[in-house]
Amino acid sequence: KAGVTQTPRYLIKTRGQQVTLSCSPISGHRSVSWYQQTPGQGLQFLFEYFSETQRNKGNFPGRFSGRQFSNSRSEMNVSTLELGDSALYLCASSLVGLVDEQFFGPGTRLTVL
Amino acid sequence: SQKIEQNSEALNIQEGKTATLTCNYTNYSPAYLQWYRQDPGRGPVFLLLIRENEKEKRKERLKVTFDTTLKQSLFHITASQPADSATYLCALDDATGNQFYFGTGTSLTVIP
Repeated sequence: KAGVTQTPRYLIKTRGQQVTLSCSPISGHRSVSWYQQTPGQGLQFLFEYFSETQRNKGNFPGRFSGRQFSNSRSEMNVSTLELGDSALYLCASSLVGLVDEQFFGPGTRLTVL
Repeated sequence: SQKIEQNSEALNIQEGKTATLTCNYTNYSPAYLQWYRQDPGRGPVFLLLIRENEKEKRKERLKVTFDTTLKQSLFHITASQPADSATYLCALDDATGNQFYFGTGTSLTVIP
């Protein structure tokens, strides 16, 4: 069974731009969650989608948004990028959600200049 | 404020010994706690999940305990090997299951 895939793996953007990251979960998994990882703040929960609905949300500003498609693939969007948004963005998929074992992708490394 | 702390950022132990990692939390009442391993440049890998009504869970050389009174989880790796060297993260929910929090992580190095 193929693992979680994320595209692109690396991105360089400038302040003020927006970015869209993509995540393909493991086949059969309906829950996709997103995380931001930085050296200073560690791994922080952004949001979780299940069956195309945002079910849970972390403490991030509205510039961070996401969606999930009928095939469970998910996208995350960050608008009006700030320098502090530079981070490794990870997505994870699971069968039922946050209470279940989560399978992480390799991440997208975003650099904001 | 809410906080999840893991013992010392770095832990070095000799091969063959038991590594014990600590996860302490305040102002949470989690229903479950998970442990993950993360290697440099890669996403975390799930290791074990323990629920609030379970005291101990084992999987091969791994053992995790969960003490909701002390607000602490201990993660043990017995007969440690250099291949166990990685960063270990604990994670828990906020009792409502609506939020998920990771600890600061402990970097474990097993010395041959």
